[in-house]
Amino acid sequence: AQKITQTQPGMFVQEKEAVTLDCTYDTSDPSYGLFWYKQPSSGEMIFLIYQGSYDQQNATEGRYSLNFQKARKSANLVISASQLGDSAMYFCAMREGLVGNQFYFGTGTSLTVIP
Amino acid sequence: DGGITQSPKYLFRKEGQNVTLSCEQNLNHDAMYWYRQDPGQGLRLIYYSQIVNDFQKGDIAEGYSVSREKKESFPLTVTSAQKNPTAFYLCASSYTSSDTQYFGPGTRLTVL
Repeated sequence: AQKITQTQPGMFVQEKEAVTLDCTYDTSDPSYGLFWYKQPSSGEMIFLIYQGSYDQQNATEGRYSLNFQKARKSANLVISASQLGDSAMYFCAMREGLVGNQFYFGTGTSLTVIP
Repeated sequence: DGGITQSPKYLFRKEGQNVTLSCEQNLNHDAMYWYRQDPGQGLRLIYYSQIVNDFQKGDIAEGYSVSREKKESFPLTVTSAQKNPTAFYLCASSYTSSDTQYFGPGTRLTVL
């Protein structure tokens, strides 16, 4: 089974609107972390937001928020007030346990912001 | 400025040649990682290192080798044994293996 599933290969959003990028995960380890990264066309992976499995509140970082639904094993990224510079690939990732090799990436969602 | 640097940005290699990709960080991070990304795919872990002089194989280590002689440096050698080396290679680091990973700008390797 896939550890991280991103079911939206491509998404479009109007500038200034909000958009939700879906991510579901699969793990039986009680300790895990969930990450979202942005990859513009230049290729660099830019860290956006983190949610720990024991965190009670949803993580927020500026215009980014993570909708964490533990029972459903979902960790959707919400981008508010979309900007043209948000056009990029977005990857959901999970660190399973506390060791560095248990780190899994989804296949990504391509977001295009329309003026 | 603190960060992670990778060089070169683009690299071309003839079949049968070994090539070494550089990764340097000045963030004082203990853990470092190498990932491979193929078109339309997520990242796959090649090797990782939690401390100096120690490293572990990831999911796709065959045909690659690494060293970790200094905390700041984690070079990756793509050997001639790697059957399909053309890809985008990303280096990352984190304070410890359980912390957020931060990435370098990547090296795009093309085998001619």
